[in-house]
Amino acid sequence: AQSVTQLDSHVSVSEGTPVLLRCNYSSSYSPSLFWYVQHPNKGLQLLLKYTSAATLVKGINGFEAEFKKSETSFHLTKPSAHMSDAAEYFCVVSDRHSSGGSNYKLTFGKGTLLTVNP
Amino acid sequence: DAGVTQSPTHLIKTRGQQVTLRCSPKSGHDTVSWYQQALGQGPQFIFQYYEEEERQRGNFPDRFSGHQFPNYSSELNVNALLLGDSALYLCASSFGFNNEQFFGPGTRLTVL
Repeated sequence: AQSVTQLDSHVSVSEGTPVLLRCNYSSSYSPSLFWYVQHPNKGLQLLLKYTSAATLVKGINGFEAEFKKSETSFHLTKPSAHMSDAAEYFCVVSDRHSSGGSNYKLTFGKGTLLTVNP
Repeated sequence: DAGVTQSPTHLIKTRGQQVTLRCSPKSGHDTVSWYQQALGQGPQFIFQYYEEEERQRGNFPDRFSGHQFPNYSSELNVNALLLGDSALYLCASSFGFNNEQFFGPGTRLTVL
């Protein structure tokens, strides 16, 4: 069974300072990992994904995440926060069976609300 | 190129009623997944449709059912509504069940 734990329900940063959103996962197989962002009254948007290629993944809007198998972590970072980054962020896991296929469903964490102060 | 669309945007129902939500996938996509997002929570997987069949199902009761049409659009039906069914219902589409899912804006269901 797969699961995701987002270690902080709320992170508050000042504009221009670094962002760190923490995520730990549990997976029976070799997982695919994602970060999605949800702005108020808008749909979920994919920030980045890890699918067993490079362990450091670069996404949109300056975000990146590093897959660390030994720590079962996939933390999201950004060097400098912008006001427009304020939103809910979800870490997501999707198991991949040993045959190479996906188990089809995405399992979401409970989310981290990022607040950016001027 | 239209993305994933869902209708209606908002819906208010009373306990015991039935509801149907609709989803049109992104152009070129053939797989539709449904998720329930309760207030303050992450989305939870309900089920996924591919080739007009339910391929996988999450931990939801049989009151939740669905359908996929030949044009790949999909419906989510919920019978005997409970107060706890109040949530944002999200539809996601992909090309095949092993690829990136694109999400629609959701339908906000309120059960009174």
